[in-house]
Amino acid sequence: KAGVTQTPRYLIKTRGQQVTLSCSPISGHRSVSWYQQTPGQGLQFLFEYFSETQRNKGNFPGRFSGRQFSNSRSEMNVSTLELGDSALYLCASSILAGVTSNNEQFFGPGTRLTVL
Amino acid sequence: GEDVEQSLFLSVREGDSSVINCTYTDSSSTYLYWYKQEPGAGLQLLTYIFSNMDMKQDQRLTVLLNKKDKHLSLRIADTQTGDSAIYFCAEVSGNTGKLIFGQGTTLQVKP
Repeated sequence: KAGVTQTPRYLIKTRGQQVTLSCSPISGHRSVSWYQQTPGQGLQFLFEYFSETQRNKGNFPGRFSGRQFSNSRSEMNVSTLELGDSALYLCASSILAGVTSNNEQFFGPGTRLTVL
Repeated sequence: GEDVEQSLFLSVREGDSSVINCTYTDSSSTYLYWYKQEPGAGLQLLTYIFSNMDMKQDQRLTVLLNKKDKHLSLRIADTQTGDSAIYFCAEVSGNTGKLIFGQGTTLQVKP
């Protein structure tokens, strides 16, 4: 069974641009969560999608948005990029929504975004 | 607010035991997790513990939970060089259901 895949793996953008990151969950998983990882702030939850609906959202500005398609693939968009958006963006998929002992989240390798 | 704290760095010799500590603030957390992140990779779930348990053992891993002090630890017995990674402690927020991560502890295992 293939794991969670994220594309692209590396991305370089300049300030003011916008970017779209993609996440393909494990087959059969309907929930996709996104996290931002930076040296200063650590791992922070961005949002979770389940069955094409945003189920939960972290404390990020409206420049960060996402969506989920009917095949459970998810995209994350960041508009008007700032230097501080440079980070590793991780997505995780699970069968059900939420985090419980029998609903493990499986993480992808991440997309490394650098904003110049 | 909800917060999870860990020490940033731990160095041990191969074959020794490693103990990584974590403190959390949300007393309503139902689960607490330990994740491992190797260079260039995502997070891998190592183990978890229910908040009504004191201890959980899984092969070389032992998790201890002191709910009164909101303190969680991960002990790795017979640490190997392959255990070198960043270890994250995380709690599930009782309010929001979100995972709240600590800053991560970098474990360095010297041969």
